[in-house]
Amino acid sequence: EAQVTQNPRYLITVTGKKLTVTCSQNMNHEYMSWYRQDPGLGLRQIYYSMNVEVTDKGDVPEGYKVSRKEKRNFPLILESPSPNQTSLYFCASSLVSGRVDTGELFFGEGSRLTVL
Amino acid sequence: AQKVTQAQTEISVVEKEDVTLDCVYETRDTTYYLFWYKQPPSGELVFLIRRNSFDEQNEISGRYSWNFQKSTSSFNFTITASQVVDSAVYFCALSEVDTGTASKLTFGTGTRLQVTL
Repeated sequence: EAQVTQNPRYLITVTGKKLTVTCSQNMNHEYMSWYRQDPGLGLRQIYYSMNVEVTDKGDVPEGYKVSRKEKRNFPLILESPSPNQTSLYFCASSLVSGRVDTGELFFGEGSRLTVL
Repeated sequence: AQKVTQAQTEISVVEKEDVTLDCVYETRDTTYYLFWYKQPPSGELVFLIRRNSFDEQNEISGRYSWNFQKSTSSFNFTITASQVVDSAVYFCALSEVDTGTASKLTFGTGTRLQVTL
């Protein structure tokens, strides 16, 4: 079954304690991205990756890092989480066919993060 | 810059009523995609539709229909004979192909739909 898997789905942590939210897709997609969802703001893109070892900032990258060492995985790293990073996070992937981004996004189920 | 506006923050209807969720977008691209997603209380995002800017035909899928009007930059979503299971937050989104990438979505702020018995 085609899917994007995020872990953990729920996490409560404290300010400053490094954490990683993993994202894995089984569809051999080139494009992967992270969004955060906040009340009244909709979803906003944090980082994206067009392929292995190619990552770039989205609209709200401050306080986050990503890496893309393998095609299937795109972890989101919070080096020193702060309460304003309390949010619902979504990972997404899509197929880039012949350099054409198809725009057919598959979203993970979301990871709800609380930073105290 | 691109923008998606969902002016209706919250809508309440009684079951079996029809309801329309508004979406207005801004873009300078001529090639773009428009999307609707549903987010039920469980939190996941459920894909409903994707439309490209060259296809202005209205679409119907069961009780759902979408009205795309380039002249007013709108992509409205209508649920006919609403049901309690339609209660969710609905997001409209846009991606720009000419100046951006099709997979980079700009979302509206969402409309919360509450359907009661």
